Amino acid sequence: AQKVTQAQTEISVVEKEDVTLDCVYETRDTTYYLFWYKQPPSGELVFLIRRNSFDEQNEISGRYSWNFQKSTSSFNFTITASQVVDSAVYFCALSRMDSSYKLIFGSGTRLLVRP
Amino acid sequence: DTAVSQTPKYLVTQMGNDKSIKCEQNLGHDTMYWYKQDSKKFLKIMFSYNNKELIINETVPNRFSPKSPDKAHLNLHINSLELGDSAVYFCASRLTGGGNSPLHFGNGTRLTVT
Repeated sequence: AQKVTQAQTEISVVEKEDVTLDCVYETRDTTYYLFWYKQPPSGELVFLIRRNSFDEQNEISGRYSWNFQKSTSSFNFTITASQVVDSAVYFCALSRMDSSYKLIFGSGTRLLVRP
Repeated sequence: DTAVSQTPKYLVTQMGNDKSIKCEQNLGHDTMYWYKQDSKKFLKIMFSYNNKELIINETVPNRFSPKSPDKAHLNLHINSLELGDSAVYFCASRLTGGGNSPLHFGNGTRLTVT
């Protein structure tokens, strides 16, 4: 069975601090996708990144970076120099690499960035 | 604007009623989904259609019936609404095949059953 665990329910930081959101996954598949989505207070779900299981290179996009470690089944997300606009619920998700593309979501981490 | 559009944005109704939520995408995608987000923010897949064919049907009460008239639309009809159906329902779409696009979500429909 597939499972995604986001152990941090809520994180509060002061603006400009760096923050890392943890994601640990379980799957028996050898190939799979991992995702991060952002849900701001307005409620929509915003796609941030997709990573496939055979690409363990870390990725950086502006203030965002992702650390994928297959050995520990983790796909952590770091925001550098956080801003108030980063306040949101962040979801990590996992899917098989098949045509169904059924996303299994973690329970989310609520990030509050205080001015 | 290219997007996944859901209507209505808010839906308040009484127990026992029947209601529908509509979803349309103009992204040229061929696969559409319904997800449910409960009060604790937990997101769970309900259904998926590929080119009007049902490909995912999770353990959902049969009061919920998806309908896909064409690959750009996936509507969700709910019969005999119950208090526990209160949630935010998200429609999503993607393009299968080469390129494997990520899921694009609509803005959600908040359903409140009183």
